[in-house]
Amino acid sequence: AQTVTQSQPEMSVQEAETVTLSCTYDTSESDYYLFWYKQPPSRQMILVIRQEAYKQQNATENRFSVNFQKAAKSFSLKISDSQLGDAAMYFCAYRAPQGGSEKLVFGKGTKLTVNP
Amino acid sequence: KAGVTQTPRYLIKTRGQQVTLSCSPISGHRSVSWYQQTPGQGLQFLFEYFSETQRNKGNFPGRFSGRQFSNSRSEMNVSTLELGDSALYLCASSPWAEGNTIYFGEGSWLTVV
Repeated sequence: AQTVTQSQPEMSVQEAETVTLSCTYDTSESDYYLFWYKQPPSRQMILVIRQEAYKQQNATENRFSVNFQKAAKSFSLKISDSQLGDAAMYFCAYRAPQGGSEKLVFGKGTKLTVNP
Repeated sequence: KAGVTQTPRYLIKTRGQQVTLSCSPISGHRSVSWYQQTPGQGLQFLFEYFSETQRNKGNFPGRFSGRQFSNSRSEMNVSTLELGDSALYLCASSPWAEGNTIYFGEGSWLTVV
């Protein structure tokens, strides 16, 4: 079974600085999808960024970028120029290739605090 | 375009009762999945539906059930509630297409007393 591990339960960063959240996963598949979701106090899960495993290029979305290391099964999220609104729980998630299920396997999450 | 809508947002039930939660997916989305979120277990997959058929089920007891209607709306039911069922129940929808993004609702907070 696939597993996702987030080794940092909590992280903090100063406003305007950069922070990296770690995620590792375990799978025997060669094709899959990886996601970072943000969950603010409102509790709605918001997609931050996604990565297709067959793409070697790291995904970027404005201030958010990933470092995808397929061989190492690592998928870290870098947040640049951190803003107060970035404070939230961040979840790394894995999804198997299409055709069977859209089930997401989540890590335990990292609580990010942004200090002014 | 309206997002994923879940009702009710908050509810309190007594042990032994049963509860039904509702989810309306984004218009055009035919796939709906449910997750349970608790402080101890994190986010756990409950089940997913596509075109009224359950495609996958998580490791939960039979007290947890769900269904999907022809308009893609979904309901989940928990019978004989236990204190441990207190959780945030999240519904998600997607168009079920290769590489699609899964969108979540705001969740239903269930407290069992």
